[in-house]
Amino acid sequence: KAGVTQTPRYLIKTRGQQVTLSCSPISGHRSVSWYQQTPGQGLQFLFEYFSETQRNKGNFPGRFSGRQFSNSRSEMNVSTLELGDSALYLCASSQQPNLSGANVLTFGAGSRLTVL
Amino acid sequence: QKEVEQNSGPLSVPEGAIASLNCTYSDRVSQSFFWYRQYSGKSPELIMSIYSNGDKEDGRFTAQLNKASQYVSLLIRDSQPSDSATYLCAVIPVSGSARQLTFGSGTQLTVLP
Repeated sequence: KAGVTQTPRYLIKTRGQQVTLSCSPISGHRSVSWYQQTPGQGLQFLFEYFSETQRNKGNFPGRFSGRQFSNSRSEMNVSTLELGDSALYLCASSQQPNLSGANVLTFGAGSRLTVL
Repeated sequence: QKEVEQNSGPLSVPEGAIASLNCTYSDRVSQSFFWYRQYSGKSPELIMSIYSNGDKEDGRFTAQLNKASQYVSLLIRDSQPSDSATYLCAVIPVSGSARQLTFGSGTQLTVLP
């Protein structure tokens, strides 16, 4: 069973540009969450999607947005990039939104974004 | 106060010893607790989940939960150099509207051969 697939794995952008990251969840998983990981702040929750609807959103500015498609694939977008957006962006999927028992969160390899 | 707190380490133990990793959380009604392992340059992978007070064992790993003390720990017995990684404690807080995983900052473990 294929895991969570994220593309691209690495990318370099300059300030002011925008970026779109893609995530394909594990087959059968319908919930997708996005996290930002930086050395200073650790892993921080960005947002969660289920059935093409955003269920939860973390404490990030409106420059960070996302969406989910009918096949459960998800994209996140960051507009007007800032130096501080340099981070590892991790996508994770689960069968359902409420994590418990066998319904756990599995992470993809991440997309490492560098903003120059 | 951070929602999930861990000693950042680094924690060094000799091969074959028991490594003890600790985590405290602030939301006293939290119900679900997880330990993830993250190797350098890799993504976090789930190694244990625990939902009830007491101990839960899986191979060399034992998770311990004490809800009254708002404390969850991970013991690694017979530590191996391959266990060297950052261990992340994660909690789902019940209060508030967002039921997302909230992570601690992680404890870096080094197992010395």
